[in-house]
Amino acid sequence: AQKITQTQPGMFVQEKEAVTLDCTYDTSDPSYGLFWYKQPSSGEMIFLIYQGSYDQQNATEGRYSLNFQKARKSANLVISASQLGDSAMYFCAMREGSNAGGTSYGKLTFGQGTILTVHP
Amino acid sequence: EPEVTQTPSHQVTQMGQEVILRCVPISNHLYFYWYRQILGQKVEFLVSFYNNEISEKSEIFDDQFSVERPDGSNFTLKIRSTKLEDSAMYFCARGGRETQYFGPGTRLLVL
Repeated sequence: AQKITQTQPGMFVQEKEAVTLDCTYDTSDPSYGLFWYKQPSSGEMIFLIYQGSYDQQNATEGRYSLNFQKARKSANLVISASQLGDSAMYFCAMREGSNAGGTSYGKLTFGQGTILTVHP
Repeated sequence: EPEVTQTPSHQVTQMGQEVILRCVPISNHLYFYWYRQILGQKVEFLVSFYNNEISEKSEIFDDQFSVERPDGSNFTLKIRSTKLEDSAMYFCARGGRETQYFGPGTRLLVL
């Protein structure tokens, strides 16, 4: 079974509009972290936002917010006020487990990605 | 927090040749990772490295692969005898408390 599922191969949004990129995950571990990365055409992986499984509030970073619905095992990325420079591939990823201190340095498992195209 | 740097940015090699990909992190970091991304596909974990030892490796990371940190700074991934299917982008990442910071990647092409 896929641990991270991104069901939208491609998404289109008008500049200045908001867009939601879907991500569902599968884990039996009570402690995990969820991440979103942006990969522009140049190829680098840019960290956007992180949500811990025990975090009470949804994570926000500037125009990015993570809609975390634990019971549904979903961690959708919301980009507000889209810009042309937001056009890129977006990956959702999960890290399972943590040590006793609540910190984990384990591997990331990635989804297949969603290509976002922002139209002017 | 700054990301790591990687060299070379591009590498073209013949099948069967050995390649060494280098990652230059900020000193005093203990957790490092190698991932690869075959063109058009998702990012896949290869190996994690903690305190100069492998802490976890995937099924992809077979005997053709090795990692080391020979001088305490540079962190290398060696592919002993490259295959066509090793053509991919290889990312080094360093561990942070709530994320992993990726380097710019090395694009490897095996002919």
